[in-house]
Parts: sequence; C-alpha cells; structure tokens
Amino acid sequence: EIVLTQSPVTLSLAPGERATLSCRASQSVSNFLAWYRQKPGQAPRLLIYDASNRATGIPARFSGSGSGTDFTLTISGLEPEDSAVYYCQQRTNWAGTFGQGTKVEV
Amino acid sequence: QVQLVESGGGLVTPGGSLRLTCAASGFSFSDYYMSWLRQAPGKGLEWLSYTSNSGYSVHYADSVKGRFSISRDNAMKSLYLQMDSLRAEDTALYYCARVTFWSGYYEDSWGQGTLVTVSS
Repeated sequence: EIVLTQSPVTLSLAPGERATLSCRASQSVSNFLAWYRQKPGQAPRLLIYDASNRATGIPARFSGSGSGTDFTLTISGLEPEDSAVYYCQQRTNWAGTFGQGTKVEV
Repeated sequence: QVQLVESGGGLVTPGGSLRLTCAASGFSFSDYYMSWLRQAPGKGLEWLSYTSNSGYSVHYADSVKGRFSISRDNAMKSLYLQMDSLRAEDTALYYCARVTFWSGYYEDSWGQGTLVTVSS
C-alpha cells in the first residue's frame, strides 16, 4: 500500500499570506495525485487533479505541482474561507489512499 | 448542478446490516463511475468501493471486501451500498461520490454524507 505523508500537520497564517502544503508518497505515484479541501461540517471538494490541474470553479490562487513522490499545494493570497483540512490522494489504482491531512488556519 | 444525496444511515448493532442509498441528479448518472468513501469521526478519508457506469465492474477496499456490496440502478439514478456484518470500526460518515477520468480518476463531486453508527 502506498502511504502518503502530509506536512505540516497544522499551518497557521494570516490573510494574504501564502500557504505551502506538502504531500510525500512512499513510492512513485507518477502524476496521479489529487488535492481536496474539507471545510468543517462539509464534504471534501476536489481542488487539484493529476497533480497540477485545477478542478472546475477553483480559483487560480490554488496551484499544484510535483510528480513521482513529492507534491505541493500552494495557496496564494490566503482568505479566511480557506480555513480547512486539506487532503492529498493518490490514484495509481482504485484503492487510492489519502494522506492524513493538513489543517490550515487563517 | 451536480447533486448527490445519501440516506439510510443510522444506529445498528454489531453484526447487523444496513443499506445506504445515494440519489443523483444534475448529470447523466449512467455515464459515470461512482464511489463510496467514508470518514470515521475526527479521522481521515477512506475509499471503500467503486462501480463502473454499467455496474458490471466493481471493486472493494480490503477492509470491506466480502461484507459490503455496491450496486446501482441507472433508471432510478441511484447508487447503493449494502453493508453486512457491521463492526464498531465501521462507524463513520459515508459519502457517495462521482468519479471523473482525466489522466487519473478522481472523485470530483461528493454528497454530504450519511452517518452510520455501529454500537450495542
């Protein structure tokens, strides 16, 4: 099973700052990686797919990068509404695993 | 817009059964693969099962294989999860989600979830 490790566990930043979230895979997942945002009491929402493509309706201040084992989600110009837990997910097969999440506090 | 509404959750005793339903609207249900995922209280996300758009191809996570069964009714635009031999560790919020294929395949729309509690 491929294990995804996200860091940091918690990130506290001020509005307008840039957030950099990391997701490291225990073995290569090529570019088959997604990022989701889960606000309190809500379902997850797809932000980024195939490592670097924004999903429909996601603003340009969200960007994804990386391939192989190391991936980054960058949120530029943080807004209070970005407070949430962010998960990465690898999809090299149907049993795609999720990271444990990074909590972002704005 | 895409809407997925889960129902059927509730309190069940260990060893019991429950059937979850996901009602879909706002998209051509029969064109899409669908997944079930869950999230234990205060924990992360776990993918459980998928079904192809026809329902002929299915797959399960090891944690539920042999106990859970996924199915769909395209005419009713509904997805189901039959859960048998439930255990305390199955307590979670259960989500249905639509799957979209790009280079990879990901759950691009999620319902709000239905809570399953397994307890005596």
